[in-house]
Amino acid sequence: QQQVKQSPQSLIVQKGGISIINCAYENTAFDYFPWYQQFPGKGPALLIAIRPDVSEKKEGRFTISFNKSAKQFSLHIMDSQPGDSATYFCAASKENSGYSTLTFGKGTMLLVSP
Amino acid sequence: DGGITQSPKYLFRKEGQNVTLSCEQNLNHDAMYWYRQDPGQGLRLIYYSQIVNDFQKGDIAEGYSVSREKKESFPLTVTSAQKNPTAFYLCASMLRGLNTEAFFGQGTRLTVV
Repeated sequence: QQQVKQSPQSLIVQKGGISIINCAYENTAFDYFPWYQQFPGKGPALLIAIRPDVSEKKEGRFTISFNKSAKQFSLHIMDSQPGDSATYFCAASKENSGYSTLTFGKGTMLLVSP
Repeated sequence: DGGITQSPKYLFRKEGQNVTLSCEQNLNHDAMYWYRQDPGQGLRLIYYSQIVNDFQKGDIAEGYSVSREKKESFPLTVTSAQKNPTAFYLCASMLRGLNTEAFFGQGTRLTVV
């Protein structure tokens, strides 16, 4: 049972282009949607996150779009750069005994060509 | 520097042996987690602990064991019962509360030889 579905599995974008990664979830108990960025051989790090009471959040070149009715959210990377080449994980969080419990998508490997 | 330290970075194990992966944090986080990462599989939760001396199974706990004797430490043992242990293992920690950030270590790559 895959609670968070992420696509595409891999993505190649030219420098300066827009990278778009999509995620869908099923459980309406999820109430927080972060994106993590992972470089090869490193642990993931939080990139940007959104709560379901807003439809969009922007931080620099990174934007999350959120559609609560469709239970979908996406990451847009504007003006993609070679340094953005990494694996991106979407996640969904819900409360568990006062803590957040994260469920991750399977990841998207992004390659930005120079 | 505050953070999570995993050791070793690379680990080789012979079939039939148990190995223990270390995870230490100095962030004063209550909750700690172990994930397994395989290509194309994302991050799958093995075990987690929200308080000292207590831990819960995640989605793929079979063949693994953990302990939480100190707040700062959450070691993972990969036992010989784990049929396919070769993977990248990630430790994470979080503060108590809602919508908090997960902080990850640099990972341990375990290879069975």
